[in-house]
Amino acid sequence: EVQLLESGGGLVQPGESLRLSCAATGFTFSNYGMDWVRQAPGKGLEWVSAISGTGGTTYYTDSVKGRFTISRDNSKNTLYLQMSSLRVEDTAVYYCAKVVWRQIFDIWGQGTMVTVSS
Amino acid sequence: EIVMTQSPATLSVSPGERATLSCRASQSVKNNLAWYQQKPGQTPRLLISDASTRATGIPARFSGSGSGTEFTLTISSLQSEDFVVYYCQQYDSWPLTFGGGTKVEIK
Repeated sequence: EVQLLESGGGLVQPGESLRLSCAATGFTFSNYGMDWVRQAPGKGLEWVSAISGTGGTTYYTDSVKGRFTISRDNSKNTLYLQMSSLRVEDTAVYYCAKVVWRQIFDIWGQGTMVTVSS
Repeated sequence: EIVMTQSPATLSVSPGERATLSCRASQSVKNNLAWYQQKPGQTPRLLISDASTRATGIPARFSGSGSGTEFTLTISSLQSEDFVVYYCQQYDSWPLTFGGGTKVEIK
């Protein structure tokens, strides 16, 4: 069964850092692009970042450029999101999502909550 | 950035009736448009890609149409489990963008 399991969320203060992980099982991880999508409480979906199957190409939404870094370890079937200089507006559930092709997401993790508050 | 606008924000429909959800792009995305369904407390589920191709396992009552800047998701006969939130997403250009969502509620 194809599964994605996020971890690493929590409560941090503004300006602090956090690293999210997404463990993938049930498919050949390195063959697929992966993305992070977030959802603030009671709000809609917001795309955050994408990475190619090899990890050689990455994309970010403007609001996180220079603060977040997406990466992957294909030997561990794990996707990461390193988040620094966190802001209150980064508070959200962060989902990792598998790209079936183009940038269409066929599998989503259950999400991990990140709360940025003083 | 391509802005995706969904309307209406809330759609009130009776069970068994047809629901028509709209998604408009601020510039052409060709047919690079997906629809997702999100139930309360659950993760999004892919319904439609390439504007009109149903994903594996999606019932035939869900259909998508449109191209360019105007798209429609139609649910032909609403079942109880369909009264949830729907999002459109363009994947024509970076950054990827989602619409704000349409909540389908029971009338």
